[in-house]
Amino acid sequence: GENVEQHPSTLSVQEGDSAVIKCTYSDSASNYFPWYKQELGKRPQLIIDIRSNVGEKKDQRIAVTLNKTAKHFSLHITETQPEDSAVYFCAASLIQGAQKLVFGQGTRLTINP
Amino acid sequence: EAGVAQSPRYKIIEKRQSVAFWCNPISGHATLYWYQQILGQGPKLLIQFQNNGVVDDSQLPKDRFSAERLKGVDSTLKIQPAKLEDSAVYLCASRQTGRYGYTFGSGTRLTVV
Repeated sequence: GENVEQHPSTLSVQEGDSAVIKCTYSDSASNYFPWYKQELGKRPQLIIDIRSNVGEKKDQRIAVTLNKTAKHFSLHITETQPEDSAVYFCAASLIQGAQKLVFGQGTRLTINP
Repeated sequence: EAGVAQSPRYKIIEKRQSVAFWCNPISGHATLYWYQQILGQGPKLLIQFQNNGVVDDSQLPKDRFSAERLKGVDSTLKIQPAKLEDSAVYLCASRQTGRYGYTFGSGTRLTVV
């Protein structure tokens, strides 16, 4: 089955700097890659996703890039703000069929003022 | 639209006791998922329903966990008997047919002592 590895497990950046979180997946058939943000004690919320027919997708300060050949994808957050502090999870699945998301282990991002 | 509702929010039980969690998905969402999130880890799928049928329960510890989705709407997840290692947040999520992203509920935090 699918296996998703996420790095780093913790990341600390200065406010205003950029943050990058990377994930690799094992199943080359996977074609849907969402990112979730989970604040302390709250539900995971979808912040951005990408399908395998595109290489990059942007939404204001966040972007996701996908390298299908290498089977890895990354989350980029620019001009970080204190409210970006949270745990971020990547996930992978097939769009077709059951669409069962397999999650990475999570990255705790801390933005230092 | 209303979100995914879960109850209770918190539960503390002794090992070997039983416990049940309830989930009400977003209206019209045919697919419902139960995930287990152990502290410091990513969510792990326990069971997936499509309407009232089970799509995937390969990672559900069936000797102690059971789940049902009556009439294809609400779902209940039960643990009997509970073990210390069952301490986790149990997340319910739902997805609309034809859409990719999940919407998660706020979860039930279970502590087994």
